[in-house]
Amino acid sequence: NAGVTQTPKFQVLKTGQSMTLQCAQDMNHNSMYWYRQDPGMGLRLIYYSASEGTTDKGEVPNGYNVSRLNKREFSLRLESAAPSQTSVYFCASSDLTRTVQPQHFGDGTRLSIL
Amino acid sequence: AQSVTQLGSHVSVSEGALVLLRCNYSSSVPPYLFWYVQYPNQGLQLLLKYTSAATLVKGINGFEAEFKKSETSFHLTKPSAHMSDAAEYFCAVSDQGDDKIIFGKGTRLHILP
Repeated sequence: NAGVTQTPKFQVLKTGQSMTLQCAQDMNHNSMYWYRQDPGMGLRLIYYSASEGTTDKGEVPNGYNVSRLNKREFSLRLESAAPSQTSVYFCASSDLTRTVQPQHFGDGTRLSIL
Repeated sequence: AQSVTQLGSHVSVSEGALVLLRCNYSSSVPPYLFWYVQYPNQGLQLLLKYTSAATLVKGINGFEAEFKKSETSFHLTKPSAHMSDAAEYFCAVSDQGDDKIIFGKGTRLHILP
C-alpha cells in the first residue's frame, strides 16, 4: 500500500534548467495537490486538480505548470528554474466525495536550484 | 477567505509535561479543522480532524483538540509529552465543500529530557 509516491526524492538544478516532479497515488482519489514548504512559511498551495482533466492555481503558481495525466498521476514542471524555487515540494491527494477526507501526503522532493 | 494562525513557531516542554499548541482560525462559518504532524524528512500525517460532530476530538498518539467557536480556536493538547512527540505540527482549515485546505505556518515542538 504505497499511498502517494513522489519522484525524485532529491534534485539539484542549475538556474534556467527545467525539470518535472512526478507524483502518483494508488488510493483512487479524485483530488491531487502540489505544495511547497519553506522554513517559517508552512505549506503553500501551488496548483491543485479537483478531478481528472481539471487544474487550478493555488497561492503561489508563478513559475510552475502542472499536468493531470490521469486519475493517478499529477506532475509539476519547472520550465526555467530559479533559486527562489529552492524548496521541499509535497504532493497530496484527497477523496472529497466523502464527507470530509483529509489529504494524504508523499514524502517530498527536496529541490535545490544553484 | 479562511486562514489559521499558530501562536509560537517553537515550543519547548519537558518530558512528561503538558503539551499545548495553539491554533486560531478565521472563517465566517464553522469550518473543518485539522492537525497534522511532520517528522523529519517525511510528509505530513493526520493527527485529528474536527467536522462538527463533537467539539472535543481525540486523535492518534494521545493527542486531542477542542473546538471553541466563541474563541475561534482549535488548540492541540497532550497530557504527558514523550520524546517521540518532537516534530513540527500544522493546524489547517477548510471550508465545507471547498477542495482546498489552508495550512498554518507550523509549530516545532521540542521535548526536553
